[in-house]
Amino acid sequence: EDQVTQSPEALRLQEGESSSLNCSYTVSGLRGLFWYRQDPGKGPEFLFTLYSAGEEKEKERLKATLTKKESFLHITAPKPEDSATYLCAVQRNQGGKLIFGQGTELSVKP
Amino acid sequence: EAGVAQSPRYKIIEKRQSVAFWCNPISGHATLYWYQQILGQGPKLLIQFQNNGVVDDSQLPKDRFSAERLKGVDSTLKIQPAKLEDSAVYLCASRDPGTFDEQYFGPGTRLTVT
Repeated sequence: EDQVTQSPEALRLQEGESSSLNCSYTVSGLRGLFWYRQDPGKGPEFLFTLYSAGEEKEKERLKATLTKKESFLHITAPKPEDSATYLCAVQRNQGGKLIFGQGTELSVKP
Repeated sequence: EAGVAQSPRYKIIEKRQSVAFWCNPISGHATLYWYQQILGQGPKLLIQFQNNGVVDDSQLPKDRFSAERLKGVDSTLKIQPAKLEDSAVYLCASRDPGTFDEQYFGPGTRLTVT
């Protein structure tokens, strides 16, 4: 059965304190791994798609990496506006459903 | 470009009542998804449409949930009768199959069943 597990469930950082979020997955035939950001009361906002082990993508203070078993979302020198829930999801076939983890709630204090 | 629109944003009903949610996808997006997000969990797919046709409804509780996408644009998700465990946020997403894989989500409808 396809499964996505994110850790930690919650992470509290001081502004400027870099850290990483983990997404472990078990899926038969990975087409893509997705990262989304979700603010309270809003829908998920797309960040990255990774397709193969070794691939990396960056956007501002965020960098996502992928191995055959897990993905990491690295946050460098975070700011309070980076506070949100970060969701990881896997997809087995093009255009198919996203299978989400439970999310990591990130809080960045000034 | 306008995003995915959903209405209503909030709905409170009593158990055994019925409710309907509406979604208007991004213009030109042929693929439409309905997800259910229970508090503290990630979204879970309920149903996927490609134009007017259903692609995947394997996780839709068909005894109480129904969905349609007339004319391949707007979609409606209905629950009848509602149960307490249906309390969740219902998210609509759309994708342009001719471009990239990412799905774009609307703001969601928060349903509370009392």
